[in-house]
Amino acid sequence: ETGVTQTPRHLVMGMTNKKSLKCEQHLGHNAMYWYKQSAKKPLELMFVYNFKEQTENNSVPSRFSPECPNSSHLFLHLHTLQPEDSALYLCASSPQLQETQYFGPGTRLLVL
Amino acid sequence: ILNVEQSPQSLHVQEGDSTNFTCSFPSSNFYALHWYRWETAKSPEALFVMTLNGDEKKKGRISATLNTKEGYSYLYIKGSQPEDSATYLCAFIKGGGADGLTFGKGTHLIIQP
Repeated sequence: ETGVTQTPRHLVMGMTNKKSLKCEQHLGHNAMYWYKQSAKKPLELMFVYNFKEQTENNSVPSRFSPECPNSSHLFLHLHTLQPEDSALYLCASSPQLQETQYFGPGTRLLVL
Repeated sequence: ILNVEQSPQSLHVQEGDSTNFTCSFPSSNFYALHWYRWETAKSPEALFVMTLNGDEKKKGRISATLNTKEGYSYLYIKGSQPEDSATYLCAFIKGGGADGLTFGKGTHLIIQP
């Protein structure tokens, strides 16, 4: 266990649905991250939060909307996704930016 | 767009043999290089964070070296064991305030008993 949890672990949604992914860390870290892993592609950074403030949005489409209400929780709100958004979504946290990251188990998302 | 390349893409190694693989990254504007191990059905787990040219780090049978001037890092595994089977990822952080990691595609290592 890394101390980073993600729910749900699996999610199937239609293109018109709205759903949210949740990430929680109990490590006292200040930075949190969302990554996307598509088949045969490297892990892609989506968003970075530091002390609840978004510091990086890696040109992610607006149908993905992050929220960080406090340093321990990170959400990814999903709305009108496309089938090509099907992927593994990983959350990570680190004590400070640019330090070792601790990953959650991921949410496997399928968009139909 | 940052280019982080890992080779080989996959590797089969006999148990007990030693092996190594490569990560190459932009040699300009370097801040740090991370190595992670990702076992199937688990989360990626940090192995090393390397920041200085010439750095060598070791964790048990696994070690890594760093050459920032030419833009590469090697990961070595001595006396491979079945539990070393995993995908090994390297990730680059550039200088100048970038906050996230740019990952390579990984080297998928399979240790054959």
